[in-house]
Amino acid sequence: GQNIDQPTEMTATEGAIVQINCTYQTSGFNGLFWYQQHAGEAPTFLSYNVLDGLEEKGRFSSFLSRSKGYSYLLLKELQMKDSASYLCAVVDSNYQLIWGAGTKLIIKP
Amino acid sequence: NAGVMQNPRHLVRRRGQEARLRCSPMKGHSHVYWYRQLPEEGLKFMVYLQKENIIDESGMPKERFSAEFPKEGPSILRIQQVVRGDSAAYFCASSPGRGRGYGYTFGSGTRLTVV
Repeated sequence: GQNIDQPTEMTATEGAIVQINCTYQTSGFNGLFWYQQHAGEAPTFLSYNVLDGLEEKGRFSSFLSRSKGYSYLLLKELQMKDSASYLCAVVDSNYQLIWGAGTKLIIKP
Repeated sequence: NAGVMQNPRHLVRRRGQEARLRCSPMKGHSHVYWYRQLPEEGLKFMVYLQKENIIDESGMPKERFSAEFPKEGPSILRIQQVVRGDSAAYFCASSPGRGRGYGYTFGSGTRLTVV
């Protein structure tokens, strides 16, 4: 079967750095997305990785290792508005997005 | 273009009634996906449609649920004879294609409450 694993919840302090991990086992791989979802709102696109390595975009970076079936999302200089759920999604061999359950990130002052 | 439009934003139905949820994809997007999300849970795929065709409905319950994406007009997710367990947020997403790098743009969702 296909499986995406993320921690259920993480807590971090304003101004700090946090890394949210995602491991996957899917039938084929055609890229990995990270989305942010604030409570009661729609998910919004953060990043897309298809090749190994680190992609940096402002305070957010995303890393992929295809051989390990592993990705992480790195958030720097955390702000209170970063409190949200972070969803990892993998594109499988049928180009269908397989979603993780999301990691709820709580930022404390 | 305001993006993916879903309506209504909130919908209340009594048990046994029908619920109709509408989704207009982004301009230029011909691929539509419906997801259900329960509180504190992840997105659960329901159905994938292109214009006039259901491509993948592996996530749809076999009874009471149906979806369409007609040649003209929005995609419709229809739930007949709703039950309390149908209460959830239903998100629609669209994409211009299906392949590498085609991320989804989500609508704001319809929150269905069955009383």
